[in-house]
Amino acid sequence: DVQLTQSPSLLSASVGDRVTITCRASQGISTFLAWYQQKPGKAPKLLIYAASTLRSGVPSRFSGSGSGTEFTLTISSLQPEDFGTYHCQQLNGYPLTFGGGTKVEFK
Amino acid sequence: QLQLQESGPGLVKPSETLSLTCTVSGGSIRSGNSYWAWVRQAPGKGLEWIGRIYFGGSTRYNPSLNNRVTISIDTSNNEFSLNLSSATAADTAVYYCARLSMSYQGSGNEINWFDPWGQGTLVTVSS
Repeated sequence: DVQLTQSPSLLSASVGDRVTITCRASQGISTFLAWYQQKPGKAPKLLIYAASTLRSGVPSRFSGSGSGTEFTLTISSLQPEDFGTYHCQQLNGYPLTFGGGTKVEFK
Repeated sequence: QLQLQESGPGLVKPSETLSLTCTVSGGSIRSGNSYWAWVRQAPGKGLEWIGRIYFGGSTRYNPSLNNRVTISIDTSNNEFSLNLSSATAADTAVYYCARLSMSYQGSGNEINWFDPWGQGTLVTVSS
């Protein structure tokens, strides 16, 4: 199985900060990676797929990059509505797996 | 706009079968560019993929669930279902259904993503 390791697990930042979350895969997964945002008590929502393709309707301050084993999700200017937990997911092969999540909180 | 809604018992006894249904509205479950999937999240934990089905009936399951999973599809009612046998307290979680979309890159590779998700339903396994 492909293991995904997210870092950091907890991120404290201020409004306007540039924020970067990393997702490392235990083996190469090309660009078959997606990012989701989850608010407490809610279902995850897709932000990015194929490592760097922004879902329609997602603000352009979100961006994704990477290929192979290292990926990043960047929020260029953190907004108050961006708090929550971010999950990466690999879709290179079965079983599909998720990272452990990164919780973004405000300082 | 495609929407998914989970339904089923919120409480299941240990050793019994956990059964949930996901109703799809706003689109056809026969869509050729979609699989239909289940994902769960134990309290305070991360996301775990359970399995997926295509409208033609082909399935893939997570081996970590030790052959306890069956996913079926009812195209006439635009819904798909999850059965998880021999439930234990470790199966207590919020269960989500989701569309696993597929598309093709220029290279011919299939790319996938989960969107949209149902709102989720909490299932507790307890006597």
